[in-house]
Amino acid sequence: EVQLVESGGGLVQPGGSLRLSCDVSGFTFRNYWMSWVRQAPGKGLEWVANINKDGSESYYVDSVKGRFITSRDNANKSLYLQMSSLSADDTAVYYCARDLRKEALTPSNGNHYYYYFMDVWGKGTTVTVSS
Amino acid sequence: EIVLTQSPGTLSLSPGERATLSCWASQRVSSRSLAWYQQRPGQAPRLLIYGASSRATGIPDRFSGSGSGTDFTLTIGSLEPEDFAVYYCQQYANSQYTFGQGTKLEIK
Repeated sequence: EVQLVESGGGLVQPGGSLRLSCDVSGFTFRNYWMSWVRQAPGKGLEWVANINKDGSESYYVDSVKGRFITSRDNANKSLYLQMSSLSADDTAVYYCARDLRKEALTPSNGNHYYYYFMDVWGKGTTVTVSS
Repeated sequence: EIVLTQSPGTLSLSPGERATLSCWASQRVSSRSLAWYQQRPGQAPRLLIYGASSRATGIPDRFSGSGSGTDFTLTIGSLEPEDFAVYYCQQYANSQYTFGQGTKLEIK
């Protein structure tokens, strides 16, 4: 069974740091991009960051650039989100998700193209930033 | 950044009725990068549609997606009780994902 399990959430003071983990099972972790998505209380979904298969590339939403770093350990099938300089605006449930780039071919000319979507999600871990 | 706007914010319908949810993009979006998700209370999001119109594995055929360019639609053919939830569209461009603000589908 494909499974993503987040951990590391909790209560942290403004300005503090926290490291989230996402442990993966049921699929070959090193073959997939991964994303972090968050949801503030009563609000919608916000993509936070993603990372490529070998960890050499990562991308971030503007609001967390310079404060959050995502990384991965393919040997241990784990994804991480190191968060620093936290503020109340970072209070949310944080989900990890498998970030799928599904390859397809154009029948007419054989050109490759990709679909982009998140097909597997964890249950989330809650981060509360408060004094 | 591409902004996705969903309408309506809330849709009140009865089981058995047809639901039509809209997602408008601030600039052209590749259909291959447009997805829809369902989120029930207290649960993680679930992928419904990718590539604007392809159903994900295990998704009932009452769910369908359509559209191109800046206008996309999620249609639920005949509402079941478990379909009342919040629905989000999502796009990917320039190494960034964005989500719409969501449409809440509630029982009338």
